[in-house]
Amino acid sequence: DTAVSQTPKYLVTQMGNDKSIKCEQNLGHDTMYWYKQDSKKFLKIMFSYNNKELIINETVPNRFSPKSPDKAHLNLHINSLELGDSAVYFCASSQKRSSGNTIYFGEGSWLTVV
Amino acid sequence: AQSVTQLGSHVSVSEGALVLLRCNYSSSVPPYLFWYVQYPNQGLQLLLKYTTGATLVKGINGFEAEFKKSETSFHLTKPSAHMSDAAEYFCAVSAPDGSARQLTFGSGTQLTVLP
Repeated sequence: DTAVSQTPKYLVTQMGNDKSIKCEQNLGHDTMYWYKQDSKKFLKIMFSYNNKELIINETVPNRFSPKSPDKAHLNLHINSLELGDSAVYFCASSQKRSSGNTIYFGEGSWLTVV
Repeated sequence: AQSVTQLGSHVSVSEGALVLLRCNYSSSVPPYLFWYVQYPNQGLQLLLKYTTGATLVKGINGFEAEFKKSETSFHLTKPSAHMSDAAEYFCAVSAPDGSARQLTFGSGTQLTVLP
């Protein structure tokens, strides 16, 4: 009965490869997010979708492409991986995009690019 | 624009001692404030949040925080630390302006609990 689940949890891949991280939430939330946590634990939002519509797209290289087939899923595809992409990527969701709502996080996907 | 400063990237306390994790915010409007906890190799979990109303907010696991507008602070406290409290703690702020822009996180404070 995991609320926000993302796969894979660990991913080691070579530079130049393309990889995807999948995310699903079973909370019935309208809004989903991708956050990136760097090696210094700093968290920053990358993307936000509301009912499959992109509403936040921070300054992220266009090698990163989110896709939301329905409001319960938000996948992250990364092309031409670089060493600097190594980080923990968190999927998250909230009821609505109101800023007072609690954001629920997945357990993270540890991406290592070698 | 809004920002969060967490004073002290590492805090160590003895088991049973008071836990105090400091958070100061900057916001052009009255903020919403949050504390999240991250246990090793896990995602973030909400401890507590302040939106409106009572300025002393109680959360899970015995934690509480007080919103002090005059000090622009939202410090997290727990009267007696437990070994299981060892984790990374993040303060976060958002602006209640109805925009889609969500949380701005602080840089985190690693709490170590010594036996």
